[in-house]
Amino acid sequence: GENVEQHPSTLSVQEGDSAVIKCTYSDSASNYFPWYKQELGKGPQLIIDIRSNVGEKKDQRIAVTLNKTAKHFSLHITETQPEDSAVYFCAARLGYSTLTFGKGTMLLVSP
Amino acid sequence: SAVISQKPSRDICQRGTSLTIQCQVDSQVTMMFWYRQQPGQSLTLIATANQGSEATYESGFVIDKFPISRPNLTFSTLTVSNMSPEDSSIYLCSVGGRGTSTEAFFGQGTRLTVV
Repeated sequence: GENVEQHPSTLSVQEGDSAVIKCTYSDSASNYFPWYKQELGKGPQLIIDIRSNVGEKKDQRIAVTLNKTAKHFSLHITETQPEDSAVYFCAARLGYSTLTFGKGTMLLVSP
Repeated sequence: SAVISQKPSRDICQRGTSLTIQCQVDSQVTMMFWYRQQPGQSLTLIATANQGSEATYESGFVIDKFPISRPNLTFSTLTVSNMSPEDSSIYLCSVGGRGTSTEAFFGQGTRLTVV
């Protein structure tokens, strides 16, 4: 089955800096790649996603890039703010199967 | 979108006992999913709960340990049976994220501590 690796496990940045989280996947047939944000005491919430027919997608300060050849995708957060502090999970999905999640990245944005 | 209410939000339980977690969705859904999130780990799918049939369990999870009920299209329960400290985790209910429904929605989770 699919295997998703996520790095780094923790990331500390200063407010206003950019943050990048990277994920690799194993099954080249995977075609859907979402990113979830989990705040303390809450369930994960979708923040952005990308499909395999697109190389990049942007939504305000958040962007995701996909390199199908290398089988990796990345989350980019620009102009980070303290409220961006959370755990971020990447995931991959093959066809109509269930999502396979990475182990998560704890992002800490210091004011 | 879907709004999922999960309870209890947290509990501390004695080893050997059982805890039933409830999940209520604000709309009818065919499939509901139960995940386990161990400290510092990813979300691991326990089982898929379909209304009117037995739940489908993932490798490493068995019905005797994690019995699931799905009495209707908006509600499900997960029981963690004969608990041990290794069962201390966050348990999450989810809908979507499979088939034609790409986005997964999650409840706020149940933080279980077994002492």
